[in-house]
Amino acid sequence: GAGVSQSPSNKVTEKGKDVELRCDPISGHTALYWYRQSLGQGLEFLIYFQGNSAPDKSGLPSDRFSAERTGGSVSTLTIQRTQQEDSAVYLCASSLGGGYGTEAFFGQGTRLTVV
Amino acid sequence: GESVGLHLPTLSVQEGDNSIINCAYSNSASDYFIWYKQESGKGPQFIIDIRSNMDKRQGQRVTVLLNKTVKHLSLQIAATQPGDSAVYFCAETKSSGDKLTFGTGTRLAVRP
Repeated sequence: GAGVSQSPSNKVTEKGKDVELRCDPISGHTALYWYRQSLGQGLEFLIYFQGNSAPDKSGLPSDRFSAERTGGSVSTLTIQRTQQEDSAVYLCASSLGGGYGTEAFFGQGTRLTVV
Repeated sequence: GESVGLHLPTLSVQEGDNSIINCAYSNSASDYFIWYKQESGKGPQFIIDIRSNMDKRQGQRVTVLLNKTVKHLSLQIAATQPGDSAVYFCAETKSSGDKLTFGTGTRLAVRP
């Protein structure tokens, strides 16, 4: 597709379970970002990948959160032992990166509900 | 840590009027400032950006103003339309393509 694709669009999980959220960025985009957005709130930075550089993980809220980006393309955000406070919309974005402009393209997000 | 914030959480304007959405930032090291629009149920969409060496930039019906002296950013929308109803976020970044730090957002409601 032409845009950033995230799956699943909705996920309901039981407290304590692990979840994986997937992001397919726009082809050719070297930068990939994960953000979290709680209801009616702003976007909280989680992690940033740029090319082959070490990712900026400074926004991950705890060691239950991790992310990887395979082959410089698809990224997976994993939340282990989910808690109710993890409920939010998780947004992924990609951009050309490397000084080629600031425009980041966002996916529709994954709405995570922990019950 | 340093962050980007907004003065007003909600803004209601009459259709056809001009809208002004404001934002205060605190990271003087930021080189780019960006405005995003988020419609309900969708991801944010880029509107316009401005580099720190500029004080004004115009797009289609939108103008962004940057005042580095008081660390203030604003988005002006001319002839506001119902389709402009959304939440608007300002964001900042140290360099083009780097991670973005977002503010909390302003909801713009357009009255018919």
